[in-house]
Formats: sequence, C-alpha cells, structure tokens
Amino acid sequence: NAGVTQTPKFRVLKTGQSMTLLCAQDMNHEYMYWYRQDPGMGLRLIHYSVGEGTTAKGEVPDGYNVSRLKKQNFLLGLESAAPSQTSVYFCASLGGRAGANVLTFGAGSRLTVL
Amino acid sequence: QKEVEQDPGPLSVPEGAIVSLNCTYSNSAFQYFMWYRQYSRKGPELLMYTYSSGNKEDGRFTAQVDKSSKYISLFIRDSQPSDSATYLCAMSVGLYSGGGADGLTFGKGTHLIIQP
Repeated sequence: NAGVTQTPKFRVLKTGQSMTLLCAQDMNHEYMYWYRQDPGMGLRLIHYSVGEGTTAKGEVPDGYNVSRLKKQNFLLGLESAAPSQTSVYFCASLGGRAGANVLTFGAGSRLTVL
Repeated sequence: QKEVEQDPGPLSVPEGAIVSLNCTYSNSAFQYFMWYRQYSRKGPELLMYTYSSGNKEDGRFTAQVDKSSKYISLFIRDSQPSDSATYLCAMSVGLYSGGGADGLTFGKGTHLIIQP
C-alpha cells in the first residue's frame, strides 16, 4: 500500500539545467497536484490535474510544466532551473472518504538549484 | 489580508500540557476545515476533518470550528513528544475538486515542540 511515491527524493541542479520530478499513486485517484513548500510561505499550488490528459495552472506555475499521460503518474518539469526554484516539492492526490475529499501527500522531493 | 492566518510559532510546551493551535480566516464561504500534521522531512498527513461549525473529537485531539468568528482550533490533550511537528490548517468552500477559487487554502503552519 504505497500511496503517493515521489522520485527523486533529493536533487542538486545547476542554474539552467532541466529535470523532471515523478509522482506515482496507486489509489486510482483522478485528481493530482504539485505543491512547493518554502519557509515562511507555506504550501503553494504549482499545477494540478483533474484526470488523465488534463492539467491546469495553480498559484505559482511560472517556470514549471506538467504532464499527466497516465492516470497514476503526474510529472513536474523544470526546463531551465533557477535558484528561486530551490524548494521542497510535494505531490498529492485527492481521494474520497466518507463525507470528505482529502489529500494524500508524498514524502517530498528536495531540490537545490545552485 | 491573507485568506488564512496561522501563527508560525515555534510553540514550545512541556509534555502533558494541553496544546491549542489556531487559524483565522476571512472567507465566510469556507465550509470544510482540516488539520494536517507534518513531521520533519515528511509530507503532510490528514489529522482531523470537520464540516461547518462544531466540535469533533478523535482520541487526544479535538477540532473546533466557530464560523461566526471565522476561527478554528485544534486542541491536543496530554501532549507527547511524538506530537512535535508542524500543524497546518486547511479549508475549502466546497468539496475540494481542484485549484483556483474552489481549491484548498492552507495556513502556513505552526511548528509545535513538546518538551519531555
């Protein structure tokens, strides 16, 4: 019962490099999200998806791209990394339980951009 | 004015104390209220969930919502060192179905330390 799995857990990039963060969920959830968490800023929504093949912008989408080619996977890409993108990135999926929709988060991916 | 305000702390209390964590909000349309707990270097996990006003109890934890004051609280009784974590409040207008106006709004989290 893995839930939400993020890879990699840690990554160091140089400015201008590109990378992709992978999120996988095994709960058959339709909705998936990418957040970033920074000290003093809390959780901020980057992009989200309400189903396979769909994506939408959140609060802070600039500099990121996403894809949801398969229902269980949600990819977050950085085409040209900047130091301002140093953060902890969390993927989450939305699942129902009696009377509620709640988010299940992954363990996070720590990205440092030098 | 931010939609959801939460004191970042840190809040440090001795083991066994009653802890009160709070959030205030400005959007009177919020109806669903949640508390997430986040241990260091981990993802947030849902701790408590309430709909509309009132209290909800789960073991040592009690969530309270006062919609007239736009104020929600999480009480922890008989606090333990294992309760040391960051607690994030979250709320939404409707059942959360995505981002944007109907999305989930988080507080910035309160860092709680329970001293043995």
